[in-house]
Amino acid sequence: NAGVTQTPKFQVLKTGQSMTLQCAQDMNHNSMYWYRQDPGMGLRLIYYSASEGTTDKGEVPNGYNVSRLNKREFSLRLESAAPSQTSVYFCASSDPGLQSGYGYTFGSGTRLTVV
Amino acid sequence: KNQVEQSPQSLIILEGKNCTLQCNYTVSPFSNLRWYKQDTGRGPVSLTIMTFSENTKSNGRYTATLDADTKQSSLHITASQLSDSASYICVALKTSYDKVIFGPGTSLSVIP
Repeated sequence: NAGVTQTPKFQVLKTGQSMTLQCAQDMNHNSMYWYRQDPGMGLRLIYYSASEGTTDKGEVPNGYNVSRLNKREFSLRLESAAPSQTSVYFCASSDPGLQSGYGYTFGSGTRLTVV
Repeated sequence: KNQVEQSPQSLIILEGKNCTLQCNYTVSPFSNLRWYKQDTGRGPVSLTIMTFSENTKSNGRYTATLDADTKQSSLHITASQLSDSASYICVALKTSYDKVIFGPGTSLSVIP
């Protein structure tokens, strides 16, 4: 099925460990995003990529890095995980952009716990 | 401050009943407003998208309304089903690329 695929679905890290969350979309969308979702709060933008080869910081970028590997793939890296990064992470894509009549297509999320 | 507020925070209704969820936004300049449904353990799925010039938009049993003057939107669910149990998220977009403001969501539980 067409859509956004995220891996892994669940992950437990120790403080200080690093990991990369993977995201791939097969809808030929130009724009991709990483969000985090915490209880009682709206989704917050970590980083986004308007098109292949470009990335920009969102609202909460500290502690994260991203790579737009190609048009399909957009990864999120935690270099040194902290308990404050315990959250559910969502990747999303859209095309041709947020101002279009199209909304986001979200992945199913990665539930990350940092102990 | 760009903000989206939703009410109620949670809601329990009987199967077959109607309900209305509210969204107030203070986003400027405003582009469009979207409602998403998020099932437990899943990513949000788009229900409706409305530009500032649209007053209402329907998607099956879901009807969204928008009043751009008062900066309010509502999502009305008709003849609720057990599968409507989910979180409903209101999202307002500014006219700049990365300014997408998500509300905290309303958790709806439909019980038999």
